[in-house]
Amino acid sequence: NAGVTQTPKFQVLKTGQSMTLQCAQDMNHEYMSWYRQDPGMGLRLIHYSVGAGITDQGEVPNGYNVSRSTTEDFPLRLLSAAPSQTSVYFCASSYSGTGEAFFGQGTRLTVV
Amino acid sequence: ELKVEQNPLFLSMQEGKNYTIYCNYSTTSDRLYWYRQDPGKSLESLFVLLSNGAVKQEGRLMASLDTKARLSTLHITAAVHDLSATYFCAVGKGDKIIFGKGTRLHILP
Repeated sequence: NAGVTQTPKFQVLKTGQSMTLQCAQDMNHEYMSWYRQDPGMGLRLIHYSVGAGITDQGEVPNGYNVSRSTTEDFPLRLLSAAPSQTSVYFCASSYSGTGEAFFGQGTRLTVV
Repeated sequence: ELKVEQNPLFLSMQEGKNYTIYCNYSTTSDRLYWYRQDPGKSLESLFVLLSNGAVKQEGRLMASLDTKARLSTLHITAAVHDLSATYFCAVGKGDKIIFGKGTRLHILP
């Protein structure tokens, strides 16, 4: 099993550009989430989903959109990139919200 | 609003010593997690604690949960260099899982 796969691994964007970070899991997990990791800040929850068609906001949702059309995929969209969105982004999935989460390898995003 | 605090945020210790990392959280919760992260890598699940008094051990690491005190501890016994990493606790409240800022552990040979 591949587990949780994130693409791309690295990305540089110009301010104002849009892009989608991809996340796919092959474990048939219902629960998926996106976090951003910044130095000294730990991981902050952006958006999460408890199943296909259901998404909700986390701690820092502004500037990001998500959708969950299938169980496997949970893309994160940056609508108009800003330098403050420079970060490492992690996608995670778990069988339910109570189980251990499996994390992708991360996407390192730089906005210039 | 759920807040998760870890302390210390940075710990440098000698091999062979014991130490404890603390994780406090601000509201009632039904589950707590510990993760490990090596530099430049992803997060790896260590423990899932689901009830008051839960204790789990893996090698030199032992985690416990006191839901009444809203406190979890991660105890390191006879530390070895391979345990150098950043350790995160995370707390579940409803459908959200909120992380602490992490404890960067550096074990000196």
